Amino acid sequence: DTGVSQNPRHKITKRGQNVTFRCDPISEHNRLYWYRQTLGQGPEFLTYFQNEAQLEKSRLLSDRFSAERPKGSFSTLEIQRTEQGDSAMYLCASSLSIGVLDTQYFGPGTRLTVL
Amino acid sequence: GDSVTQMEGPVTLSEEAFLTINCTYTATGYPSLFWYVQYPGEGLQLLLKATKADDKGSNKGFEATYRKETTSFHLEKGSVQVSDSAVYFCALSPPPSGSRLTFGEGTQLTVNP
Repeated sequence: DTGVSQNPRHKITKRGQNVTFRCDPISEHNRLYWYRQTLGQGPEFLTYFQNEAQLEKSRLLSDRFSAERPKGSFSTLEIQRTEQGDSAMYLCASSLSIGVLDTQYFGPGTRLTVL
Repeated sequence: GDSVTQMEGPVTLSEEAFLTINCTYTATGYPSLFWYVQYPGEGLQLLLKATKADDKGSNKGFEATYRKETTSFHLEKGSVQVSDSAVYFCALSPPPSGSRLTFGEGTQLTVNP
């Protein structure tokens, strides 16, 4: 399988705990994106990287959220001191930026439930 | 800021019926436009895209035309199948090179045999 992979697929945690998600993009894709999707809504952009550099962060990304892509390959998204409002599906996407338009390919997501 | 508005769902059709899902957008300049589909239990998949005015994206019998004058990108299919049952998302990416996607709320389509 050469698609975008995400781990874990499901995470249940208690309020106040820290969680970390991992995303492995399609090989050689230089851009990696994180989105959040709540039930019945479309995905909302959180942040994206080009290689190792974090180029854009949404205002949705509070100080409790941090994302890294240390070697320009996989990425991690950490949420500190989780709140019930953080419960959502966290989606990762990757793309190869060439020319005018890059097409984003999405992973299956990590579903977070905060109790 | 950028925004995408989709017709409210859910939409229920009989097999072989004609499908239209409306999508309008607000953006600065000339964004790229997309339709993504999410089948039950699966991740988002790109269905089709268009990068400039009057472009028509097409795939699997679905079509959408980029209409700058009406800021719309409506999704159509002439004859739907049960296997088309899914959630459909309209999205845009700002110019010039594309980065974050802004999605609509999604439209749940159910096709009955």
